[in-house]
Amino acid sequence: GAGVSQSPRYKVTKRGQDVALRCDPISGHVSLYWYRQALGQGPEFLTYFNYEAQQDKSGLPNDRFSAERPEGSISTLTIQRTEQRDSAMYRCASSLAREQGAFTEAFFGQGTRLTVV
Amino acid sequence: AQSVTQLDSHVSVSEGTPVLLRCNYSSSYSPSLFWYVQHPNKGLQLLLKYTSAATLVKGINGFEAEFKKSETSFHLTKPSAHMSDAAEYFCVVSDRGRDDKIIFGKGTRLHILP
Repeated sequence: GAGVSQSPRYKVTKRGQDVALRCDPISGHVSLYWYRQALGQGPEFLTYFNYEAQQDKSGLPNDRFSAERPEGSISTLTIQRTEQRDSAMYRCASSLAREQGAFTEAFFGQGTRLTVV
Repeated sequence: AQSVTQLDSHVSVSEGTPVLLRCNYSSSYSPSLFWYVQHPNKGLQLLLKYTSAATLVKGINGFEAEFKKSETSFHLTKPSAHMSDAAEYFCVVSDRGRDDKIIFGKGTRLHILP
């Protein structure tokens, strides 16, 4: 697609429910990243993929959070048994493979605003 | 592991005066460095990037940044601030050659005074 697409744009859920957030990266982009951004804070790294392989999940807060990218394109971030503290903007980004070893910039989606009530 | 520190959470300048947003990084390898801007209720937009070519990097909207390895800094500057520059600015680092993990600073809110 023309840009990184995230859905839904807004999600309100009750505490204890599971939610799935979707990210559709730019076509052909190798790397896909998930970030969480609380109000007034910078994006906090959660996890990233190269193709379908999850390279680093050190930023996932606990085992309620998981992500997958089974075919190396669309990714889903799943939060089980949501809690109020999970409320934040969840941002996805994608980037091309490196150019001559250099990291290429990440392009961000508009984000999913998650509110847990 | 890489990290980035933005030294000021808020910066206020008058319209027409210079802007300086400070960023220091830590990297075990040769870093790639970026500045992103986020306007209120908007997404993240790339301003400029450094990936080992020229140390002085020019970006959009008149911004530029200089990579100084000896000082581990990548400060963002603009000669003359405009009201439309009011936004949140993020310094970002990636360990080029190590992995593709990219880390954001906590951000600097730039306020432009009329």
